[in-house]
Formats: sequence, C-alpha cells, structure tokens
Amino acid sequence: GAGVSQTPSNKVTEKGKYVELRCDPISGHTALYWYRQSLGQGPEFLIYFQGTGAADDSGLPNDRFFAVRPEGSVSTLKIQRTERGDSAVYLCASRSGGATDTQYFGPGTRLTVL
Amino acid sequence: ILNVEQSPQSLHVQEGDSTNFTCSFPSSNFYALHWYRWETAKSPEALFVMTLNGDEKKKGRISATLNTKEGYSYLYIKGSQPEDSATYLCAPSRGSTLGRLYFGRGTQLTVWP
Repeated sequence: GAGVSQTPSNKVTEKGKYVELRCDPISGHTALYWYRQSLGQGPEFLIYFQGTGAADDSGLPNDRFFAVRPEGSVSTLKIQRTERGDSAVYLCASRSGGATDTQYFGPGTRLTVL
Repeated sequence: ILNVEQSPQSLHVQEGDSTNFTCSFPSSNFYALHWYRWETAKSPEALFVMTLNGDEKKKGRISATLNTKEGYSYLYIKGSQPEDSATYLCAPSRGSTLGRLYFGRGTQLTVWP
C-alpha cells in the first residue's frame, strides 16, 4: 500500500516568510510524529500526535512552530517568520499499534531559508 | 535530550567485506531500539525494532544485537554490496515518552565495487 508522503519535497523561502509543510500518513495510522534533521545531526523530535491531539509538543523549538492534525490523518507543520536556522530536512512518520512498533517515515521536505 | 552515540561516523569498505557499527545509549528507562537505513533522497527505511536484552534480529545479510543492561546495539552487514551504501541510524525510545525516537548522528557507509 501507499507509504507516508510529504509535500513539497523541496521548499526555498526567504527569511521572515511563512511556510506550511504537509504530511499524509499511512491510512489508519493513529500516531504521527514530526522530526527535523539539521546538517550534521541526527533527526530530532518535534511533535507527536495521537489522533487529532498533540500528545507531546515538547520538541517544538519556539512559538514560531505550530502543527495541526484536524481530522486525525493529514498533518501540517507551520513555521512563521522563518529564520536561516530553520533550514533542515523535516521528516514525518506514522505508526499503528503500540509505542514500540515501527515508525514509517516519509521522504522529508528539505526547507531552505535564504 | 538523550545521548545516543554511533560509531564510526563514516566507513568505506570494498564490495564483499563484512562490517559492523555500534550504537550506544543510556540504559536507564529503556523501551525499544530502532535501526533505520537512509539512502539519499529516499525515506528512512525501518530495519529492526528490538526490545529485549539479548535480542538478535536478522534481515537478509543484515543482523543486529541488543544489550539493554550496558546500553549498546551492534549492526552487522555480511558481504557488503554497493546497494548497502547509506546512512544507518539507531534510535532508542524511552518508556515515558510515547514512542518518541532519539536518533544518533548515524554511520555513513560507502561500499566500493
């Protein structure tokens, strides 16, 4: 079946602009995670949704970052007033079942802030 | 923040060589250990999820072991092939954090034909 998809695959924006990154999880997966990978680092956790609600948003770096999942499927990560330090690959993952089950990742969105 | 260390940072081997990488992590409050393979421009691919001390898992030429008491896992690749070239990431999760993964920086493997 279809895997996790993310759009756009690449996004170039200017400092100060607003961006939205979209994640379509595997159908039926109730858990959804956002991570981001900065250059030279491993992916870092941003936020976790169980259904429609954010169960853990402790990884969001500041209040410029916000994410929603209004119907419990598609999720959108929103970044206001982008800064050059926001440049990274943003990854989305979904899983079914329990917390030890496999998380299936999308291909990521590469965000470049000029 | 969880200190997850992977070594080596990068590795270059010849086709047919066998190789192994190490992932070390704090053993306290351990929940599960995930291994992923990530090729450029593709999605990270799940290799293994391990939960029990002494677990060993195998997928084709790739295998992994887990020691939760001392906080480490090894990934082995037997007879490396050029298509094995990728970054290998390990990520433990902790019991209190709802499946959140704490990734290491990865080991970048290049297999030369």
